[in-house]
Amino acid sequence: DAGITQSPRYKITETGRQVTLMCHQTWSHSYMFWYRQDLGHGLRLIYYSAAADITDKGEVPDGYVVSRSKTENFPLTLESATRSQTSVYFCASVNLEAGEQFFGPGTRLTVL
Amino acid sequence: AQSVTQLDSHVSVSEGTPVLLRCNYSSSYSPSLFWYVQHPNKGLQLLLKYTSAATLVKGINGFEAEFKKSETSFHLTKPSAHMSDAAEYFCVVSAGLGGYQKVTFGTGTKLQVIP
Repeated sequence: DAGITQSPRYKITETGRQVTLMCHQTWSHSYMFWYRQDLGHGLRLIYYSAAADITDKGEVPDGYVVSRSKTENFPLTLESATRSQTSVYFCASVNLEAGEQFFGPGTRLTVL
Repeated sequence: AQSVTQLDSHVSVSEGTPVLLRCNYSSSYSPSLFWYVQHPNKGLQLLLKYTSAATLVKGINGFEAEFKKSETSFHLTKPSAHMSDAAEYFCVVSAGLGGYQKVTFGTGTKLQVIP
């Protein structure tokens, strides 16, 4: 199916554990993004990637790691999860010609 | 600097009455502006976008928005609210030079529709 998918959709983990959130898009968009959504903050950019092997920090990158070995995948890793990372995470890719971002369905992460 | 201000965190309207969700922005470049809607426990869906063409933009589900450069505003309106419009709405500005444009989200406006 064409589009952008995220997995898992829901995850519960414990403080200190490593967690990886997956994001896959089928359009071959060059730019991809990870956001977190928290009450009162809207969506905040964690990391973005301009192309395979090119990534850069966004507004709130601390505690997160990304990689982009293939254009279609953009995994986000929490190396040692903390309670403050409990959030809903959205992956997005952008069609540069249209200037429109397409969002995945989100991953709800709870860190106990 | 780039920023987006959604002036109301919550808006409550009666079904069948007009909707107005306010958004002001600031940008150093000519921006593209978007409104996204997020229904409970769902992802974000694009409602409409302004990308330097007509200043009055029509979107899906009867929504429209007007880009007013002099007022740096991009307010979202709908003539008659439906129950299904109850959701959270995000105003987004995208601007910059070159291939990548910085994207900034507003903090959202929750729309409640009263039967």
